[in-house]
Amino acid sequence: DTEVTQTPKHLVMGMTNKKSLKCEQHMGHRAMYWYKQKAKKPPELMFVYSYEKLSINESVPSRFSPECPNSSLLNLHLHALQPEDSALYLCASRPGRTTEETQYFGPGTRLLVL
Amino acid sequence: AQKVTQAQTEISVVEKEDVTLDCVYETRDTTYYLFWYKQPPSGELVFLIRRNSFDEQNEISGRYSWNFQKSTSSFNFTITASQVVDSAVYFCALSEYKGNSGYALNFGKGTSLLVTP
Repeated sequence: DTEVTQTPKHLVMGMTNKKSLKCEQHMGHRAMYWYKQKAKKPPELMFVYSYEKLSINESVPSRFSPECPNSSLLNLHLHALQPEDSALYLCASRPGRTTEETQYFGPGTRLLVL
Repeated sequence: AQKVTQAQTEISVVEKEDVTLDCVYETRDTTYYLFWYKQPPSGELVFLIRRNSFDEQNEISGRYSWNFQKSTSSFNFTITASQVVDSAVYFCALSEYKGNSGYALNFGKGTSLLVTP
């Protein structure tokens, strides 16, 4: 089973709202990722967690706040977003033990900021 | 710095035609890993294949085949007898070490494939 789940599937929020995206995997993977994808563009890396610790932050604005409460769960907290933050947010995971491992992606959350 | 180039932005074919998606990469690493992902309109990125730099054997999986040529830094993907369900955006990607125990995918810009009946 290579399933990564994400909730919600769709989210509409105002610029003053606070919301959270959730990602879950039960494959025992120890590396988890957030990517942002705009229409007709490739995914762009935002954050990487390795063994529940933040290992990469690609200079993402502080209005995006990641959290990894345990090895199976990854959250992305959103606050005071801008309309240009509207995008598909993809979560991914990989085992995290060797360099050659494949990343498996969830179905994504389509976010619209009004 | 690493780079993945997918020069074909959009390809349109008629069902049952064969189609090849091109991928050219640049890396200074001697050991590296290449991937192909499919992204249908639903949005999920579906893993298709992983190839490491020291294994140049071509691979076939059903109607899909991949041609890895280290000499030309290419990792091309061919769909034989295309079907409407093959319509999607296809991404080629290179695994990149970003430091601090973090590995990420460096994606090409993607090729949008449309297969019409």
